[in-house]
Amino acid sequence: DAKTTQPPSMDCAEGRAANLPCNHSTISGNEYVYWYRQIHSQGPQYIIHGLKNNETNEMASLIITEDRKSSTLILPHATLRDTAVYYCIVSPNTDKLIFGTGTRLQVFP
Amino acid sequence: DVKVTQSSRYLVKRTGEKVFLECVQDMDHENMFWYRQDPGLGLRLIYFSYDVKMKEKGDIPEGYSVSREKKERFSLILESASTNQTSMYLCASSLPRLVTPYEQYFGPGTRLTVT
Repeated sequence: DAKTTQPPSMDCAEGRAANLPCNHSTISGNEYVYWYRQIHSQGPQYIIHGLKNNETNEMASLIITEDRKSSTLILPHATLRDTAVYYCIVSPNTDKLIFGTGTRLQVFP
Repeated sequence: DVKVTQSSRYLVKRTGEKVFLECVQDMDHENMFWYRQDPGLGLRLIYFSYDVKMKEKGDIPEGYSVSREKKERFSLILESASTNQTSMYLCASSLPRLVTPYEQYFGPGTRLTVT
């Protein structure tokens, strides 16, 4: 499975866009990029996923570079409730997901 | 909404005790998972079940066993609890990967302390 690299922590001002990077330079053609987040004292929650194209849903946008070696999760208007650990996961077409240590995003007022 | 429930939020057990952690999901999902989460190590997969009575070892199965007698219930068993099994245990469920988007739904976790 491809390994991902994320910064251990980031800060973002409330109302600003939070851009969370992820490197996955060894990704292969059939591997998807998934993002989950874990708010304190809760289990992880799915946010978004993509293969090649950029994706957007009600929670976030996912930008994947053309060579697919990196991606960025964008929370367009961060709120205090977005404070969480964000996991970038690269997964082949299997039922298992491998979670790393993620990025701890702190949104401040 | 998918609901995954775990039998306890907090549990304290003594070394050597047999410990059962129960997980129940209400969405008829085929897949169920047990993870443990430790500071600095992220989530690590202990066991995975893709059908009733079917199981597959994850990355750290040593010291654990599982049971899935009914589709909605997946139990994690610590045969003889040890202090290094003090951790947060998370259960998850999902439909098979062929269904997109592929989402795992997590329970709230059980914080187990072994003394």
